[in-house]
Amino acid sequence: SQQGEEDPQALSIQEGENATMNCSYKTSINNLQWYRQNSGRGLVHLILIRSNEREKHSGRLRVTLDTSKKSSSLLITASRAADTASYFCAAIQGAQKLVFGQGTRLTINP
Amino acid sequence: GAVVSQHPSWVICKSGTSVKIECRSLDFQATTMFWYRQFPKQSLMLMATSNEGSKATYEQGVEKDKFLINHASLTLSTLTVTSAHPEDSSFYICSAFTSGTGPDTQYFGPGTRLTVL
Repeated sequence: SQQGEEDPQALSIQEGENATMNCSYKTSINNLQWYRQNSGRGLVHLILIRSNEREKHSGRLRVTLDTSKKSSSLLITASRAADTASYFCAAIQGAQKLVFGQGTRLTINP
Repeated sequence: GAVVSQHPSWVICKSGTSVKIECRSLDFQATTMFWYRQFPKQSLMLMATSNEGSKATYEQGVEKDKFLINHASLTLSTLTVTSAHPEDSSFYICSAFTSGTGPDTQYFGPGTRLTVL
């Protein structure tokens, strides 16, 4: 079963705007990760946030984690056309299995 | 960074034939690799965990006799889709992690698009 549920399922914004995607999960986690997938391609690891962290930044990415609400958000600031992709949250289930959320399809309009 | 490759990147086959997909870790040794399947506009679903030198561990609902996994070396795992049918058409992705980073950081291959006619 999938660990996370993401919303929105699809998001379309104008270039330069900020994009926010949310992820909720069901079980306890040690960390939560976000990946990007361009259409028909493999996954690119974006950022990992540990359960004892509340916020983490990487370039234009900002990730938050609220373990009490079992939720995380990914914010992409000053979006670019190249940010158009699907974004997935994922968490380790058991010893090493990575379980993915349903994903958000992000479209940046020029 | 760690690189994982897959071959072929796409394949079209006739119904009833078998197709082999290779997953290689190019610059690190991977005792464990993972195989995922992704249908259009859906998320990745873990199919099986491939362990070097031992049998693969399949997720519930995945037929082990249909999806044969062989992890023959520390850098190569293969997935063979036997007697493929149109419903097996999907995007197959493998991943692996290094002993240095552990399972928290998995490196994904570029995927293989399988189309069964």
